[in-house]
Amino acid sequence: GNSVTQMEGPVTLSEEAFLTINCTYTATGYPSLFWYVQYPGEGLQLLLKATKADDKGSNKGFEATYRKETTSFHLEKGSVQVSDSAVYFCALRGNAGKSTFGDGTTLTVKP
Amino acid sequence: EAQVTQNPRYLITVTGKKLTVTCSQNMNHEYMSWYRQDPGLGLRQIYYSMNVEVTDKGDVPEGYKVSRKEKRNFPLILESPSPNQTSLYFCASSLTSGNTDTQYFGPGTRLTVL
Repeated sequence: GNSVTQMEGPVTLSEEAFLTINCTYTATGYPSLFWYVQYPGEGLQLLLKATKADDKGSNKGFEATYRKETTSFHLEKGSVQVSDSAVYFCALRGNAGKSTFGDGTTLTVKP
Repeated sequence: EAQVTQNPRYLITVTGKKLTVTCSQNMNHEYMSWYRQDPGLGLRQIYYSMNVEVTDKGDVPEGYKVSRKEKRNFPLILESPSPNQTSLYFCASSLTSGNTDTQYFGPGTRLTVL
């Protein structure tokens, strides 16, 4: 079956530091890849997505590129802010709408 | 406002007492799904529905039931809750089951079974 492996957390950074959260996947067929973000006490919300190989998703300064050759979808941001503190989930969506999520990575950004 | 709503947001109950968690979406989405979130395990799918009257098991369906009588509603039923069902539950919906469609999540229901 499909699987998603995320970089283990928690991750603690200082404001304006560079962020990378690694995500690799195994899947059959041609899944789409997603990053969702969860703020405390809230549900998940879409951060960005890519629907085919070599696509780059971007939003709010975050980026991730769908790399089929390395089966990866790493999340990056050049300069994090305190408001970026949250839990980040990598996910893939394959056939029949089936979604598989990573375990989540908790990011804390300190001023 | 386009949204997925869940009720209740918090629930404490006792073993064996039947309960229902409601989920409703106002976006005319065909696909709806229930997940549970447990520490270190990410989100695991319980049940999903591709359309009205069409439901199917996800990865962890034991102890749960669902129904989809109307497009907007997808209640999660625990006929005889047990402590191992203590968890944070999320309902989600998407326009279709297409793999490019984004899922929209409700705010979550924190359930404690004593």
